Amino acid sequence: GENVEQHPSTLSVQEGDSAVIKCTYSDSASNYFPWYKQELGKRPQLIIDIRSNVGEKKDQRIAVTLNKTAKHFSLHITETQPEDSAVYFCAAAVGGSGNTGKLIFGQGTTLQVKP
Amino acid sequence: DAGITQSPRHKVTETGTPVTLRCHQTENHRYMYWYRQDPGHGLRLIHYSYGVKDTDKGEVSDGYSVSRSKTEDFLLTLESATSSQTSVYFCAISGGVGELFFGEGSRLTVL
Repeated sequence: GENVEQHPSTLSVQEGDSAVIKCTYSDSASNYFPWYKQELGKRPQLIIDIRSNVGEKKDQRIAVTLNKTAKHFSLHITETQPEDSAVYFCAAAVGGSGNTGKLIFGQGTTLQVKP
Repeated sequence: DAGITQSPRHKVTETGTPVTLRCHQTENHRYMYWYRQDPGHGLRLIHYSYGVKDTDKGEVSDGYSVSRSKTEDFLLTLESATSSQTSVYFCAISGGVGELFFGEGSRLTVL
């Protein structure tokens, strides 16, 4: 079945450094790739997403890149701040269902930003 | 935040008992989902709904059933709870452009 692999599982950086989280997916029909941030005890919330017709998208300090040939996408956070500390999940829409919300999630990355 | 609420937020029950979790939305969104979250597994899709009385299975549907008799309500039922179903359950809704809005989660402990 469809699968999303996410690495690393934990990531520790100094405040101001960059952080990169990588995901690979198995379903070549996937066309929507969101990233969610989950703070401790809270619900996951969308921080950025990308569709298969673009290769990169930026929103202030965060960016996502997509390589459809390699079935690989990444989250980049620059100038990290302590409030960026959270668990980050990548996801891929199942079977081209990019408008229905049916997503397969990666296992999550716990990001710790040290002051 | 999207208008989505889950109940109960916390529940402790015993093995073999039935449990129903409720998800209620005020956004009139067509799509509703139940995910479970466990350490090391991320979020896994249990069941989903594309509309009233239109539901389908997700990745980990064994031991779970769902019902959607109204647009605003999506119920998840554990017919006979087991310890492996101890988890945090998240309901989510989607308006059809891809983004999921999650509820606050329901923490279920099966003893």
